Amino acid sequence: DQQVKQNSPSLSVQEGRISILNCDYTNSMFDYFLWYKKYPAEGPTFLISISSIKDKNEDGRFTVFLNKSAKHLSLHIVPSQPGDSAVYFCAAHGTDKLIFGTGTRLQVFP
Amino acid sequence: DGGITQSPKYLFRKEGQNVTLSCEQNLNHDAMYWYRQDPGQGLRLIYYSQIVNDFQKGDIAEGYSVSREKKESFPLTVTSAQKNPTAFYLCASSAWTQWSNQPQHFGDGTRLSIL
Repeated sequence: DQQVKQNSPSLSVQEGRISILNCDYTNSMFDYFLWYKKYPAEGPTFLISISSIKDKNEDGRFTVFLNKSAKHLSLHIVPSQPGDSAVYFCAAHGTDKLIFGTGTRLQVFP
Repeated sequence: DGGITQSPKYLFRKEGQNVTLSCEQNLNHDAMYWYRQDPGQGLRLIYYSQIVNDFQKGDIAEGYSVSREKKESFPLTVTSAQKNPTAFYLCASSAWTQWSNQPQHFGDGTRLSIL
């Protein structure tokens, strides 16, 4: 039973354009959501987070949107850069632990 | 420079052998975690510890064991009971508060393979 879902395994975007990565969840009790970025053979690095009491959080080129009624969050990257090419995981905070989605591989091409 | 160190980066095991993966952090974090990543899957929680001398099973604890004798260290033992141990193992840590807004910081992982 996948409580956090990333339905798009991959996304390809041209440099300078917007990248939108999506994440759906099923448990309305999740109180905090995070996005991580992962390069091959490395550990994930924390990117941005959002509390369930907010609907938007912005940090430079990265913005996370939360739609609680739809149980959906998205990560916007504007403008996309080649160095953004990586796997992005969304995660939701449940009781004492994080629950991760399966990841979306973003490729930013010139 | 604070961080999480996992060693070794690559590890090979013969069938029937136990093997221990090391995880050390100097971030002064109370909580530590072990995850497993398989191709095409997200990170799945094996064990976690919120405080020294205490730990809890995650979603896939069978065939694994841990100890938390020191705040800085959280070694994971993959036992012979783990039937499919080949995977990428990630250790993480976070500050522990009554609130949830503390992101986990990850090490660079250990890739375990069966010979």
